[in-house]
Amino acid sequence: AQTVTQSQPEMSVQEAETVTLSCTYDTSESDYYLFWYKQPPSRQMILVIRQEAYKQQNATENRFSVNFQKAAKSFSLKISDSQLGDAAMYFCAYTGANSKLTFGKGITLSVRP
Amino acid sequence: KAGVTQTPRYLIKTRGQQVTLSCSPISGHRSVSWYQQTPGQGLQFLFEYFSETQRNKGNFPGRFSGRQFSNSRSEMNVSTLELGDSALYLCASSLRTSGRTYNEQFFGPGTRLTVL
Repeated sequence: AQTVTQSQPEMSVQEAETVTLSCTYDTSESDYYLFWYKQPPSRQMILVIRQEAYKQQNATENRFSVNFQKAAKSFSLKISDSQLGDAAMYFCAYTGANSKLTFGKGITLSVRP
Repeated sequence: KAGVTQTPRYLIKTRGQQVTLSCSPISGHRSVSWYQQTPGQGLQFLFEYFSETQRNKGNFPGRFSGRQFSNSRSEMNVSTLELGDSALYLCASSLRTSGRTYNEQFFGPGTRLTVL
């Protein structure tokens, strides 16, 4: 079975600074996708960024980028120029052949003004 | 295009009762997945429906069931409610085309169920 681990329950970052959220996963599949989802206090899950395992290039979406290390099964999210609106819970997630999403426990990110 | 809608948004039930939650997917989406979110267990996959058929199922007891209608709307039912069923129930819809291409899951706002 696939597992996703987020070992840091909370992180804090100063506005305009950069923060990196860590995630590791375990799978025996070779073809899969990885995601970071944001869940603000409204509880609406929002897809931040996704990475396809067969692509070596790290995904980037504006201020958000990932560091995908396939051999190490590591998938971290970097948020640059942090904004107050980035404060939320962030979930790392995995999907493989069965198309179901497996989530990590999440990390609460706070942004200090 | 309207997003995924879930009704009701909040629900309070007592132990032993049953509850039905509804999810209307984005127009054109044929796959609906359900997730349970609790502080202790996090986000856990319940089941997925596609073309009125259950395609995947998570590790939940038989008290949790679902169905999908011909218009892709889905309902999930929990019978004989327990205190531990208190959670945020999220549904997500996607196109779920054939082949290996992953289709993004779009989440609804969730139904907050409280069991007293």
